[in-house]
Formats: sequence, C-alpha cells, structure tokens
Amino acid sequence: GNSVTQMEGPVTLSEEAFLTINCTYTATGYPSLFWYVQYPGEGLQLLLKATKADDKGSNKGFEATYRKETTSFHLEKGSVQVSDSAVYFCALYSGGGADGLTFGKGTHLIIQP
Amino acid sequence: DTGVSQDPRHKITKRGQNVTFRCDPISEHNRLYWYRQTLGQGPEFLTYFQNEAQLEKSRLLSDRFSAERPKGSFSTLEIQRTEQGDSAMYLCASSPTSGRLYEQYFGPGTRLTVT
Repeated sequence: GNSVTQMEGPVTLSEEAFLTINCTYTATGYPSLFWYVQYPGEGLQLLLKATKADDKGSNKGFEATYRKETTSFHLEKGSVQVSDSAVYFCALYSGGGADGLTFGKGTHLIIQP
Repeated sequence: DTGVSQDPRHKITKRGQNVTFRCDPISEHNRLYWYRQTLGQGPEFLTYFQNEAQLEKSRLLSDRFSAERPKGSFSTLEIQRTEQGDSAMYLCASSPTSGRLYEQYFGPGTRLTVT
C-alpha cells in the first residue's frame, strides 16, 4: 500500500535559517507528490506539487524536487520567516484504488525571531 | 471561487447520538472527498464522490459512517451512535475532474467532540 514518512517535529529554527523537511514515500504506480501547509487555526492549503520525476514544485520561496530514485520529496526554503511557522504535510496521490491522498503525519515548524 | 465550506465548524455531542456534517465544494469541482484527522496525525482518506456517484467507500471507518451527495453538489457525512473514538477533525476537499485534477482543495473542517 501507499505510505508517506516525514521527519518528526517540532522543528525549531531561527529566522533566516535554511529549512529542510524530509519526506519519503512508498507507492504503487507513479504517484503525484504534494506539500500542504496548515497555519494555526486554518485549513490545509496546497503549497506545491510535482507530478513526474525530476519535476520541481515551488511556491512562496519553498521548493521540492520529485526524486524517483530515492523516493523522496524533501521540502526546502533558503530563508525562513516567522510567518512560516505552521504544520507541513507531505502527501501523495497514486490515482488507483481509493483515489484519495495519502498523508504523512505532519511536521510542526516553529520559527523564532 | 469562494472555496470549500463546511458546517458546522464545531460539534459537541454525547456518546450514542447521531451527527451530520455538511460540505459545500468549489462550485465547478466534480470530485468531493472526506477525510478524518486525529491529533498529531495527517488526514486519513474516508470516501469520495464524482458528481453524485460514491466511487469509493471501503475506507469508511465502520458501518456507522455514511456519506451522500444526492445532487452532485453539497455532501453530508453522518456518524450514527457516536463513540468517544470518533472525536476528530473531519475534513472535506474538492477537485476538478480535468486539468489539475490531482489538486485537492480543503475546507476548514468540522471538529467533533464526543463526550
């Protein structure tokens, strides 16, 4: 079956630090990969996506590259801000069977000024 | 684009009672999904509809859970004889069936507390 593993949190960084949140996956077929973000008190928002190998998704300074050989989709940002504090979820969609997204457990990111 | 809306946002109920949640998807989206999210976990897929057809329901957690989308627009999720373990956030999402069909847009969720 499908599964997503992402690094445990909370991750605490200082403002302007470099961010990496690791995500690896197991899937049948050839999945599409996503990062969702959940700000305090708000719903899940799609942050970025990649639908095929070597694609790079990017949005709001965040990037992630679909690495089929390592089954990974790590989230990176060069300089984080306090406003980036949120919970980040890695997810995949394989399009077969149940047809829902499979999510990781989420990584809580805390940025200190 | 008014986004996905859910009602109510919070529901407190006593064990054994039935509850029903409503989801209104983005108007031009044909696919509608339900998920459950418990504390410290990612959302867990429950069921989905394409228009009014429920194409997957094997992931519903028990036969106490049911969902409908009678006219292909809004959807309802019902939990009968609620248990304390049903306490969670229930999320609805929608997506188009062509173009960016893999992009699911989520509502704010309904937080259920069973006492």
